[in-house]
This record gives sequence, structure tokens and C-alpha cells, in this order.
Amino acid sequence: EVYLVESGGGLVQPGGSLRLSCAASRITVSGYAMSWVRQAPGKGLEWVSRISGSGDSADYADFVQGRFIVSRDNSRKTLYLQMNNLGVEDTGLYYCTRDQASHDIWGQGTLVTVSS
Amino acid sequence: EIVLTQSPATLSLSPGERATLSCRASQSVSSYLAWYQQKPGQAPRLLIYDASNRAIGIPARFSGSGSGTDFTLTISSLEPEDFAVYYCQQRTWPPAYTFGQGTKLEIK
Repeated sequence: EVYLVESGGGLVQPGGSLRLSCAASRITVSGYAMSWVRQAPGKGLEWVSRISGSGDSADYADFVQGRFIVSRDNSRKTLYLQMNNLGVEDTGLYYCTRDQASHDIWGQGTLVTVSS
Repeated sequence: EIVLTQSPATLSLSPGERATLSCRASQSVSSYLAWYQQKPGQAPRLLIYDASNRAIGIPARFSGSGSGTDFTLTISSLEPEDFAVYYCQQRTWPPAYTFGQGTKLEIK
């Protein structure tokens, strides 16, 4: 049973952009906040961004520094993360999560590799 | 930013033993603390939320305690499938989340 499926990762050069998607199935996400959490290879977990259930408010980790934009389309049950001006330090597996202050449901992640 | 420090970094125990993992916050997080388990090649799984509440489907051998700055995850009797990396996580308001660096629970 798969509830959250991320896509859109890949190899990108430094300074480039990617748009990640996270599609929900067989679970309720409408009305729930959603987050993106990333994990660099061999490293720990790092929260990236959170969006409210309605999509009208968003929060970001300090390291995002205006480079990323989180959005959602509740009619499509899909979460997005637009990532611009990517650096090598952004390399990692990006997970979307259902967020109830704790992250109770996780996708399997999509891999972002930033390299020249 | 609130920093979470987990100890020990690595814990070596045998099946059937009791595991005690610690998470210390640099300032009070009240009871807004969660614990996750991550196995190699898998996404993290929520074990405990709000310091002491087991998530759906989590066995009773997992328990959480603490409030303020000091928290503990206890596994009462280790099963072979419990050997993994464990992370604590806190939430502040406005929403910002930090994770601890993880404790690796390995078979002795």
C-alpha cells in the first residue's frame, strides 16, 4: 500500500531548477498540513518546508533562503516543491510527509543530485 | 534554533535486552517531541508523537517519556526487526522542525 508518491527528482547542474511532486492516494491529505523533509546521502533528516492544509501559508527552513516554493493542489491531491538556484549541498533524497506536527505518513522519496 | 542532541550515537545490544535512547533539547519544547525509526533503504516511520503517544500500529514494547528538554525512547525487549536508526524531532511555532542526529541501534 502506497500513500504518498514523490517524483521529479534527477540530476541537475549547480544553479539549476527542479520541480518535485508528491501525489497522495488512498489517504486523506485535504485539511492536513504537508511537509518536505530531505536526507543527504548517509546523513540525517532535515526539514525543508511546510504548507498548511488550505495552502494559504507556508514555512521554510533557514537554508532555503527564498530559493524554494512549496504549493499544493488539493483537487489533485498533489504537493509540489519548486527548487531554484540549487547547490551541491541540496543533493539528497526528498520525502513528502503528512504533517500533524509529527510526520505520520511518508513517501518513499525522490532523489535530487546537484552536480556539474 | 532549537538543537536536539541524541545519545548515544551508537547502541550495541542483543535481542531481548532493553534499549534506552535519549534526546535532549537546547531549550524547552514542552511535549512537542516525536520519535522515528528508519531502516536502510526505507523511509522513516513515526513511532511516538507528543513525547509519549504511540502511533497507529506501533507495538507496545515502544514507549516514550519526558517533557521540557529531556526525552527518552524505551524499547522494553528488543526484537530482531528493531535494529535501525532512531531520530527524535521537535516542532516550534511558527512551524519549524529540527531532528536529532540519530542513534544507531545495532546488534551486539
